[in-house]
Amino acid sequence: AQSVSQHNHHVILSEAASLELGCNYSYGGTVNLFWYVQYPGQHLQLLLKYFSGDPLVKGIKGFEAEFIKSKFSFNLRKPSVQWSDTAEYFCAVNDPYSGAGSYQLTFGKGTKLSVIP
Amino acid sequence: DTEVTQTPKHLVMGMTNKKSLKCEQHMGHRAMYWYKQKAKKPPELMFVYSYEKLSINESVPSRFSPECPNSSLLNLHLHALQPEDSALYLCASSQGAGPTDTQYFGPGTRLTVL
Repeated sequence: AQSVSQHNHHVILSEAASLELGCNYSYGGTVNLFWYVQYPGQHLQLLLKYFSGDPLVKGIKGFEAEFIKSKFSFNLRKPSVQWSDTAEYFCAVNDPYSGAGSYQLTFGKGTKLSVIP
Repeated sequence: DTEVTQTPKHLVMGMTNKKSLKCEQHMGHRAMYWYKQKAKKPPELMFVYSYEKLSINESVPSRFSPECPNSSLLNLHLHALQPEDSALYLCASSQGAGPTDTQYFGPGTRLTVL
């Protein structure tokens, strides 16, 4: 079964610092990749997604992610974070060939981002 | 409108109670999901309904019973729960059940079992 690794459990940054959160999935083939964000007290929201095409994907709120197939990675980036970016960030993979059906979204354990004003 | 609503927001129940969680979406989505999220953990898939039919049951104990009365509604009936079932229960929906169908999540119901 597919698994997703998010290497950073908790990241603390000052405002205006650059952000990169790592995400790796366990094996290759065709996968669909997502980043979700969960602001304190709020529900999971989609930040961006990658299905095919340009491996550099732009999402909402200035976030982008780069799919590197050779590294099984889909890292999330933002050039300059704001205090309002404080949240939990989840990487998720949908592997349509995993045998679990195309519904199976596998989430990483999440990275908590704290931005200090 | 990409809103999925869930009621109640909070629920406290005893181990002998019977209660239900409700999820609703009016986006015309044909796939709906229940996830369980424990504190500081990622969401874990419990059930998937596609076109109002149960498609996936991820080995969930029978004390959790899902129901999809129509394409907009999804219920989760709870009976004889254990304290370890305390968690945030998330509902999600997607346009279809294909691999590129994005799932939209509701705010969740925070369940506490005493």
